[in-house]
Amino acid sequence: QSALTQPASVSGSPGQSITISCTGTSSDVGGYNLVSWYQQHPGKAPKLIIYEDNKRPSRVSNRFSGSKSGNTASLTISGLQPDDETDYYCCSYAGRYTWVFGGGTKLTVL
Amino acid sequence: QVQLVESGGGVVQPGRSLRLSCATSGFTFSSYDMHWVRQAPGKGLEWVAIICSDGTKNYNEDSVKGRFTISRDNSKNTLYLQMNSLRSEDTAVYYCAKENDYDAFDYWGQGILVTVSS
Repeated sequence: QSALTQPASVSGSPGQSITISCTGTSSDVGGYNLVSWYQQHPGKAPKLIIYEDNKRPSRVSNRFSGSKSGNTASLTISGLQPDDETDYYCCSYAGRYTWVFGGGTKLTVL
Repeated sequence: QVQLVESGGGVVQPGRSLRLSCATSGFTFSSYDMHWVRQAPGKGLEWVAIICSDGTKNYNEDSVKGRFTISRDNSKNTLYLQMNSLRSEDTAVYYCAKENDYDAFDYWGQGILVTVSS
């Protein structure tokens, strides 16, 4: 299956909000309520920040939120902080016990 | 606390084999599906394989089908990835990951580097 489509980079100023999109197909993003999002700092393992399209693990800040419309999922980060500057990946269940990731988005906090 | 620790990586020649291990603790290993995810240098994440909690079913990403085999030993709380016929494009950091009840990866190992080079 093809990777999900994410913008290569997004940017925002401290305190602002940004949104990262993740576009797939009806066979993955649009077919299941199983999009997850991961934050990955350089040299570190990814960290789960959103699952089931819009649910947040208890240990994750409520500044992170997820949504979905059709075949496109979105991650919104509000109240941008310097430590939010890193890479973000979406992932979707794609049926038949397979998963597919997005290409990743680098967030710059100006 | 939940811990996943990979081992077995290194440098290997094209066409050779390598087996990765992922030792786990802090959760009931036998109750959860487990995955391998990889990341080539400077690239994004790529899902590789899944094995169901009881080990009876496993599935691979197309590019590793017939070459990689995921397995587990629930008595040892350990996940494995047997990688055969390795290619240069398999060079990556390999992560083991625990799946939560909602088809997401809630805990990850620190990653182990596999370099395929002559």
